[in-house]
Amino acid sequence: QVHLVQSGAEVKKPGASVKISCKPSGYTNGFYIHWVRQAPGQGLEWMAIINPTAGTTNYAQKFQGRVTVTRDTSTTTFYMELGSLRSEDTALYYCARGSSSGWYYLDFWGQGTLVTVSS
Amino acid sequence: QSALTQPASVSGSPGQSVTISCTGTNSDIGAYKYVSWYQQHPGKVPKLIIYDVDDRPSGVSNRFSGSKSGNTASLTISGLQADDEADYFCSSYTSYTTPVFGGGTKVTVL
Repeated sequence: QVHLVQSGAEVKKPGASVKISCKPSGYTNGFYIHWVRQAPGQGLEWMAIINPTAGTTNYAQKFQGRVTVTRDTSTTTFYMELGSLRSEDTALYYCARGSSSGWYYLDFWGQGTLVTVSS
Repeated sequence: QSALTQPASVSGSPGQSVTISCTGTNSDIGAYKYVSWYQQHPGKVPKLIIYDVDDRPSGVSNRFSGSKSGNTASLTISGLQADDEADYFCSSYTSYTTPVFGGGTKVTVL
């Protein structure tokens, strides 16, 4: 089965950075990986995407300059780093796989990583 | 890249049908046939239930159906069941070559 396993919860101070990992398994590499966040009690917010083969990325305008997504091809692990953290960045961060029906559909999701930003 | 607009909540009795609207612009829903819907139960991860406006992934009940007209997409849940009580999010491909989500709609089964 397809699984995406994310790293554990993080607590950060305002102004710091956080880097979350996402390791897929159960399928052949080549599917895009998305990053989406959900603040407590709020909706889904799309953040970024990476092409696992080319390493090319695209970011939501809101996060441009503050977020970086990368991949380690040797371990097939994906990373999302968000900098200049503020309290509003407290959220559950998900990685998700782009579907074979269209990379813009997210068909398998990681379990989520809770990031808490607090002084 | 503004979020798509969904009603905050809809409700219906078991067996009834409910429809959730999702309004965008001619830079997203109005321009592409790449609309999807996700179901999220409390404390769970989202699940893709509709893609390409009206297609269902394997294993998704045919009680879920999608449609689109102009800048508005819709999700209809027919034969409402208790397990349908969840949050539903629409999403569309945009002219920025990125997806965007709606704010979400809570479905309550009365």
